[in-house]
Amino acid sequence: AQSVTQLDSQVPVFEEAPVELRCNYSSSVSVYLFWYVQYPNQGLQLLLKYLSGSTLVESINGFEAEFNKSQTSFHLRKPSVHISDTAEYFCAVSTDQTGANNLFFGTGTRLTVIP
Amino acid sequence: DTGVSQNPRHKITKRGQNVTFRCDPISEHNRLYWYRQTLGQGPEFLTYFQNEAQLEKSRLLSDRFSAERPKGSFSTLEIQRTEQGDSAMYLCASSLGTATYEQYFGPGTRLTVT
Repeated sequence: AQSVTQLDSQVPVFEEAPVELRCNYSSSVSVYLFWYVQYPNQGLQLLLKYLSGSTLVESINGFEAEFNKSQTSFHLRKPSVHISDTAEYFCAVSTDQTGANNLFFGTGTRLTVIP
Repeated sequence: DTGVSQNPRHKITKRGQNVTFRCDPISEHNRLYWYRQTLGQGPEFLTYFQNEAQLEKSRLLSDRFSAERPKGSFSTLEIQRTEQGDSAMYLCASSLGTATYEQYFGPGTRLTVT
């Protein structure tokens, strides 16, 4: 079975400061990794994903995440946050073990950017 | 591409009543998923359709829950004899079912059972 752990339920950070949102996963098979973002009163949006290849993946708005197989982690980072980054962030995994390729989500991290 | 839509956005019902939610996926997406999200938790998988066939159901999906996807287009999720524990956000997602595995989520239907 797969599971995802997001250790930080809330992360407050000042505007223009760096941030790291932690994600660890557990799986006995190869995984695909995702970060989704949920802005207030909006649906989940895919931020970035790791399927294969380069372990460092980037989003269009400056976020990046690195797949670390030995540490079973997929931490999300941004060197300088903006007020508009305030949202809930969910880490998720998927595998080919089930035909559904359904997502297993962590409990989320609420990022609050302080002016 | 208008995205995944869900109706209604909010539903308040009394315990014991039946409710039905609708999801319209992105056109041409052959896969459709239902998830449930409770307060302080991440979404949890409920069930999955490949075209019109319901291929997988989570153990979370009790006998009071039923989902359909007639003609492989929109989907409905019905909850019979609602209980207070059914209060949650019900999310629908769709995907092309290709190797990209990217699922597109709708805004959700928030159910409150009183």
